[in-house]
Amino acid sequence: AQSVAQPEDQVNVAEGNPLTVKCTYSVSGNPYLFWYVQYPNRGLQFLLKYITGDNLVKGSYGFEAEFNKSQTSFHLKKPSALVSDSALYFCAVPRRGGYNKLIFGAGTRLAVHP
Amino acid sequence: NAGVTQTPKFRVLKTGQSMTLLCAQDMNHEYMYWYRQDPGMGLRLIHYSVGEGTTAKGEVPDGYNVSRLKKQNFLLGLESAAPSQTSVYFCAIYSGALTDTQYFGPGTRLTVL
Repeated sequence: AQSVAQPEDQVNVAEGNPLTVKCTYSVSGNPYLFWYVQYPNRGLQFLLKYITGDNLVKGSYGFEAEFNKSQTSFHLKKPSALVSDSALYFCAVPRRGGYNKLIFGAGTRLAVHP
Repeated sequence: NAGVTQTPKFRVLKTGQSMTLLCAQDMNHEYMYWYRQDPGMGLRLIHYSVGEGTTAKGEVPDGYNVSRLKKQNFLLGLESAAPSQTSVYFCAIYSGALTDTQYFGPGTRLTVL
């Protein structure tokens, strides 16, 4: 069965430091992987996706994610964190059976401190 | 939110009451979804629709019904609300193969007492 796991409930980082939010996956076949962000009292916003090609995927707001097939990981990264990056981040993978139904991880809360 | 709206934004129900949540899109997308978000569990798919007049069950469909009479609207109904249905509900649309992305509405926060 398709699944994603986000091993950290919360990540704390100082403003200006690099950040990493972790995601591991278990899929059959070629993985499609997504990252979404949720700001307080808002809906989810698409950040980036991996379908095929380069292992480093660039997305919105300066975020990027590194696909690692051998480690079955798709970690979200940013070279220099901003306080405004503080939000809830979700990794997701499509459910088998088509129609682009997504399975989400439990979410990781990122707190960036001034 | 890419033209996805949800009404109402907030609602408080008593156990056993019924209500309908409305999701509306101002585009022409075929696929629409209803998710619920609970702390520590991410988003879970309740029901989805792949076109006008069609609906299908997702991961957690029990206690909910849906209808897609018009392409622009996807309704989620609770016939007899239970405290376990206290959650934040999100509607989403699939943008199509070109951008291959889901776009979400702002959410409805429902409390069942």
